Amino acid sequence: AQTVTQSQPEMSVQEAETVTLSCTYDTSESDYYLFWYKQPPSRQMILVIRQEAYKQQNATENRFSVNFQKAAKSFSLKISDSQLGDAAMYFCAYRRGTGNQFYFGTGTSLTVIP
Amino acid sequence: DVKVTQSSRYLVKRTGEKVFLECVQDMDHENMFWYRQDPGLGLRLIYFSYDVKMKEKGDIPEGYSVSREKKERFSLILESASTNQTSMYLCASDKPGYEQYFGPGTRLTVT
Repeated sequence: AQTVTQSQPEMSVQEAETVTLSCTYDTSESDYYLFWYKQPPSRQMILVIRQEAYKQQNATENRFSVNFQKAAKSFSLKISDSQLGDAAMYFCAYRRGTGNQFYFGTGTSLTVIP
Repeated sequence: DVKVTQSSRYLVKRTGEKVFLECVQDMDHENMFWYRQDPGLGLRLIYFSYDVKMKEKGDIPEGYSVSREKKERFSLILESASTNQTSMYLCASDKPGYEQYFGPGTRLTVT
């Protein structure tokens, strides 16, 4: 079974600074997708960024970027120029290429300090 | 925009009651999912459905059942609610190979 590990239950960052959230996963598949989701307090879970395993280039979305290390099975999220609205629970997720099921990590709670 | 809605944001039920949680999506997605979210445990899959009337058990199906009579609607049923089913329940939908879209969640309290 696939597992996704987020080893940092809580992180904090000063406003305007950069923070990196860690995620590792375990799989024997070669075709898969990785995701970072954001869940603000009392609000809906939304997709932050997505990475296809076959792509060597790291995905970026504005201030959000990933460091995808396929051999190490590592998928970290970097948030640059942190804003107060970035405060949320962040979940890393894995999906097999031909599968329906997502596997989620336990989440990292990010606090942004003004 | 994809919209996934859930019938209730907050729900309080008594032990032993039958509970229905409903989820509706408006983007013709084939797949629909029910998760349970608990602090420190992340999201755990209860059931998912890949087509009308089709379902598969997830990681924690015990005490739950599901129904999908129409493509856009996926219901989670707690046959006899227990206090250990107090939790946040999230519904999601997607097209195979793409990201999941989530509903706002239902916070269920069983007393």
